[in-house]
Amino acid sequence: DTGVSQDPRHKITKRGQNVTFRCDPISEHNRLYWYRQTLGQGPEFLTYFQNEAQLEKSRLLSDRFSAERPKGSFSTLEIQRTEQGDSAMYLCASSLGQGWTGELFFGEGSRLTVL
Amino acid sequence: GQQVMQIPQYQHVQEGEDFTTYCNSSTTLSNIQWYKQRPGGHPVFLIQLVKSGEVKKQKRLTFQFGEAKKNSSLHITATQTTDVGTYFCAGPVGTASKLTFGTGTRLQVTL
Repeated sequence: DTGVSQDPRHKITKRGQNVTFRCDPISEHNRLYWYRQTLGQGPEFLTYFQNEAQLEKSRLLSDRFSAERPKGSFSTLEIQRTEQGDSAMYLCASSLGQGWTGELFFGEGSRLTVL
Repeated sequence: GQQVMQIPQYQHVQEGEDFTTYCNSSTTLSNIQWYKQRPGGHPVFLIQLVKSGEVKKQKRLTFQFGEAKKNSSLHITATQTTDVGTYFCAGPVGTASKLTFGTGTRLQVTL
């Protein structure tokens, strides 16, 4: 079963360090999303790609966050100069289609702990 | 502010009792989706509703989309311990291509 995979699953870092997460979506999916989830909350939208184009980025997203999907396949999410408030589960999801967002397939997530 | 709200935040039921979670949007939605997230897991898609007043059933789960397309509900009949988890509704608030998730309802089921 080639679902959405994320790496690493867990990352512990010290405040001020940079971290990078990778997401490999389902191969035929053209859309890729990054969400952030903290304990007891729903997933919060961060950014979204259609193929290699980053079409939307949350206005709440600090400029310390950057995401890429260089060849329209895997994606990376980098957080620079991490802060304790960045501690969360970072979820990647992919979907297929145009127009409306169809079913999102989520990965297992990358849990970030900033000390 | 939060644009998709769910109530209740948490519900604890005895196995066999029914459960309902309600989802309300501040804006009209073109469609609404429901996801289930097991403890320690990731959200898993359950269903998508598109039409005003639509009702869909999946075994013991009944999903409804309101006539005004601003609210939805999920009803579980005769809960089982396997129903434990957090249920999220999600809709395209603002733009069609991104989903905004609700606040979620955590369901606990005990024997």
